[in-house]
Amino acid sequence: DTAVSQTPKYLVTQMGNDKSIKCEQNLGHDTMYWYKQDSKKFLKIMFSYNNKELIINETVPNRFSPKSPDKAHLNLHINSLELGDSAVYFCASSFGQGDGYTFGSGTRLTVV
Amino acid sequence: ILNVEQSPQSLHVQEGDSTNFTCSFPSSNFYALHWYRWETAKSPEALFVMTLNGDEKKKGRISATLNTKEGYSYLYIKGSQPEDSATYLCAFMDVGNTPLVFGKGTRLSVIA
Repeated sequence: DTAVSQTPKYLVTQMGNDKSIKCEQNLGHDTMYWYKQDSKKFLKIMFSYNNKELIINETVPNRFSPKSPDKAHLNLHINSLELGDSAVYFCASSFGQGDGYTFGSGTRLTVV
Repeated sequence: ILNVEQSPQSLHVQEGDSTNFTCSFPSSNFYALHWYRWETAKSPEALFVMTLNGDEKKKGRISATLNTKEGYSYLYIKGSQPEDSATYLCAFMDVGNTPLVFGKGTRLSVIA
């Protein structure tokens, strides 16, 4: 039983395309997150979301948008993909402040 | 911009050696400090969540201490084993309930 699952695991797509990465958690957590692992292997927050509040990292281009149909899902939509978007994207969830995060296995996005 | 620094960046030790790494973080507006273990080709796994100044936590051969007044935490591994080889991440959360800000990690290699 995967606690935080992301699909797809690998995604290769052309520049200019629009794509989505899905994330689902079955832990009953209240808050979900998207992190980007950059070229230096550094995890940077992109978004966090619970049923009350969306926190956006202001450095994230508006081509990236989170969509949460319900508490257990936080999908990542990316419009007009660029070469620089190539990275590994990690979804995570937690019960909120003070709780450890549970990470998904990551989605490796390659834009060609 | 919150700054979380970890040192050293990488470390090679012999099997059986004990080792420690440092995480430094802002000493103001502190809420929690997390440690994660990240094995290659896997996702980060929570080791400790620490909230109180002077906290000491232990899991098997791994332990951590916290000094919120001066803004640092140490992670200790006693009697390192090859399976301890991984990147160890620390992450800071402030009282504003913003998502975790991660350090760049310390990459540990334990040589048999």
